[in-house]
Amino acid sequence: DIQMTQSPSSLSASVGDRVTITCQASQDISNYLNWYQQKPGKAPKLLIYDASNLEIGVPSRFSGSGSGTDFTFTISSLQPEDIATYYCQQYDNLAAHTFGGGTKVEIK
Amino acid sequence: QVHLVESGGGVVQPGRSLRLSCAASGFTFSSHGMHWVRQAPGKGLEWVAVIWYDGSRKYYAESVKGRFTISRDNSKNTVYLQMNSLRAEDTAVYYCARYTSGHEDYWGQGTLVTVSS
Repeated sequence: DIQMTQSPSSLSASVGDRVTITCQASQDISNYLNWYQQKPGKAPKLLIYDASNLEIGVPSRFSGSGSGTDFTFTISSLQPEDIATYYCQQYDNLAAHTFGGGTKVEIK
Repeated sequence: QVHLVESGGGVVQPGRSLRLSCAASGFTFSSHGMHWVRQAPGKGLEWVAVIWYDGSRKYYAESVKGRFTISRDNSKNTVYLQMNSLRAEDTAVYYCARYTSGHEDYWGQGTLVTVSS
């Protein structure tokens, strides 16, 4: 199975800061990567698909990049409502949509 | 709009069975694959199973293979997860999610399954 390694596992930043999360796949997954946001007690929400495409209705401060094995998720200017846990997910292997371990984002 | 509602969760003893349902509305159910994803208390997301739009293919995580079965009834717009031989480590919130071109774009609110004696 493809393993997804996400880092950091948690971070604390100030409002307005640029926040970056990385996700590394154990093998080449092309651009078959999604990013989700999950707030406490809520279902995950799709933010980015195909590594860099913004889901409709998602603010433009969120972005994604990368291909192959290394991917980056960025919040250009952290807002209080962005407090959540973020997950990457690969779908190169259609038989197993593996998630990364998650990154908890907090306000400093 | 797209709506997914899970049901069937509850408290069950180890070794027993439970069937979860996910009722879909607001889209052409028979055109989309469906996933189950779970989240143990305080833990991350774990993909569980997927079923193709027509039920022709089904895949499972290694942790549930041989114990869980995903199925669907397109006439009822419902996807199911039959869970047998339940273990304490299966305790989690179970989400169903719609599959669209490589991503899970809509999710239900989840149903809690607690495996405990």
